[in-house]
This record gives sequence, structure tokens and C-alpha cells, in this order.
Amino acid sequence: DAGVIQSPRHEVTEMGQEVTLRCKPISGHDYLFWYRQTMMRGLELLIYFNNNVPIDDSGMPEDRFSAKMPNASFSTLKIQPSEPRDSAVYFCASSPLAYGANVLTFGAGSRLTVL
Amino acid sequence: AQTVTQSQPEMSVQEAETVTLSCTYDTSESNYYLFWYKQPPSRQMILVIRQEAYKQQNATENRFSVNFQKAAKSFSLKISDSQLGDTAMYFCAFESGGGADGLTFGKGTHLIIQP
Repeated sequence: DAGVIQSPRHEVTEMGQEVTLRCKPISGHDYLFWYRQTMMRGLELLIYFNNNVPIDDSGMPEDRFSAKMPNASFSTLKIQPSEPRDSAVYFCASSPLAYGANVLTFGAGSRLTVL
Repeated sequence: AQTVTQSQPEMSVQEAETVTLSCTYDTSESNYYLFWYKQPPSRQMILVIRQEAYKQQNATENRFSVNFQKAAKSFSLKISDSQLGDTAMYFCAFESGGGADGLTFGKGTHLIIQP
């Protein structure tokens, strides 16, 4: 398996533009998580899905952020409009929920810079 | 809400030495899971070791072992015979029993292995 695939690897955009980050989880994993990593706040859970259904989006910072999972092999995280404070590394991770624990496999992350 | 605290922002040791990274957490639950993840400069998050709270025996993976003190809510990581490739950020993480909430991460410890 190729692991969790994220794109783009790097994105530089200007304030006000729409940003779409993409994720392909590992086949057979029932859970998909979106995390954001910054120096100040560390790793924060934004939202997670179980069997393509959003379960908890309480970590999504504001209405400018939205996430979808139209099928078991694809998810997107969208920011519209983007702001400089959204600059961060965004990770997608998937898990099979083995033995009661989510053992997450992470993608390589998407580094977003908003100018 | 659970919290995870890593009190050592940065540590530096010589190659081949043993190093221990500290982690404490706060929870009222009795069943949960604890993890250590490694993030090298490549940015990839890699699972190092996992501990189930109901198991008294400390988990071990080759040169990596944990000291799990449930009553003290402490979960330290020991790296024996440290290698240059161990240089990375190390994150301690907590997950509630049932595995349905995603992981809560500490702020991380930057470990530097000196030649």
C-alpha cells in the first residue's frame, strides 16, 4: 500500500484565495482525521470521519473551513477565504481502529503559506 | 478534556547514549491508549510505540521502551543506544478508550543526537 497520500505537498497563496487540500486514505481504513500543526499550537485535531461520515468537527476553527469525504478513498479540506493565520502544515491520517485504539497512519502533510 | 504535557522542549545527547523523554497527561478515564510518535525533518509522523492503559507491562519496540506509571499519569519514552537517525521531534499522544475520538498530542520534544 502506498500509505496516506496528500496533495499538494506545498501551497503558497494570497489572502482571500480558496485553498483545497486533498487526501487519499489507506484502503480499508474506516477512520480519517485532519490535523493542523503550527509552532504555537502544536497538533490540533480539526475533524474526523468514520465510514465517510463526519463525526466531530468541533476542532474546525471557523466557518471558513470545511471538509468533505464523498467516498472511502478521498477527502478534502477547504479554506475559503484563506487568511495568513491559516498558514500551517495540514496532516491527514487514517486508521482501521484495531483493538479499540486508533493507530493512525499519517500522510506527509501539506504545508500551506498564506501571504 | 484530556491534556498531554511534554515539559522538555529540547534535549541533546551524544550518539550511543540513553535518553528519556517525559510525558504526563490528565484524564479521569480508566481505559485509554498512549502513543509516542516521531517526526523527523522530513515532516512524516511515524508511530514509535503504543501502550494500552489496562496493561501493566511496559511496551517495548527494539531500542524504544516506555515507563508507564498509571497512578502518576506518566508515560516516558526511553531510547537506548541512540543513533543519529533518532534526531527528530517526539510527540506523546493520548486517546480515550474505544478509540473514537482521535488523538490528543503534546507540544513535542525536539531530540538532537550529537555525533
